[in-house]
Amino acid sequence: NAGVMQNPRHLVRRRGQEARLRCSPMKGHSHVYWYRQLPEEGLKFMVYLQKENIIDESGMPKERFSAEFPKEGPSILRIQQVVRGDSAAYFCASSPPGQGGNEQFFGPGTRLTVL
Amino acid sequence: AQSVAQPEDQVNVAEGNPLTVKCTYSVSGNPYLFWYVQYPNRGLQFLLKYITGDNLVKGSYGFEAEFNKSQTSFHLKKPSALVSDSALYFCAVRGEGSYIPTFGRGTSLIVHP
Repeated sequence: NAGVMQNPRHLVRRRGQEARLRCSPMKGHSHVYWYRQLPEEGLKFMVYLQKENIIDESGMPKERFSAEFPKEGPSILRIQQVVRGDSAAYFCASSPPGQGGNEQFFGPGTRLTVL
Repeated sequence: AQSVAQPEDQVNVAEGNPLTVKCTYSVSGNPYLFWYVQYPNRGLQFLLKYITGDNLVKGSYGFEAEFNKSQTSFHLKKPSALVSDSALYFCAVRGEGSYIPTFGRGTSLIVHP
């Protein structure tokens, strides 16, 4: 059973370009979470999705950021018109259905650098 | 609201000595508590969790954690540290009615040979 997959692992963009980050959850997992990690700041929740639904996007900036988890294919985190402050490691995590005490399984992350 | 505090940014310990990484939490109702480890340039990796039952939880790589309800703590412990345990450790809490865990800021564990 393959783990959570993220691609690309490293992404370099110039200011004003778009960044598109992909996450394929573990097989059988229908819950996907996106986090941003900056040095000295820990892990910040961005958005929680289930198939075709955004459940909670309270951690995501209102402007330029969007996320989706379509019926088929990976979850996508999209950042439009990137700025230098968007440079960070972005992690995706998945968990199985159910609200119980399920742990999350994390991908290796995408490291975004904005020049 | 739920929150987690990891009061130490860094913990230093000599190889072979016991280690403790501290975590306290705040949550409404019963907590689900987790510890994760992150090695450089990698994603977080699950170590152990407390849902219910015995207050002492055993996990991967010889780690264990003790749930203390009165002190609202969930400290991570290992009887004998290894140099390879050096990594960033995250505590997380999720309330019974929440899908979304809250993570602490992380504690960097450095084990000296």
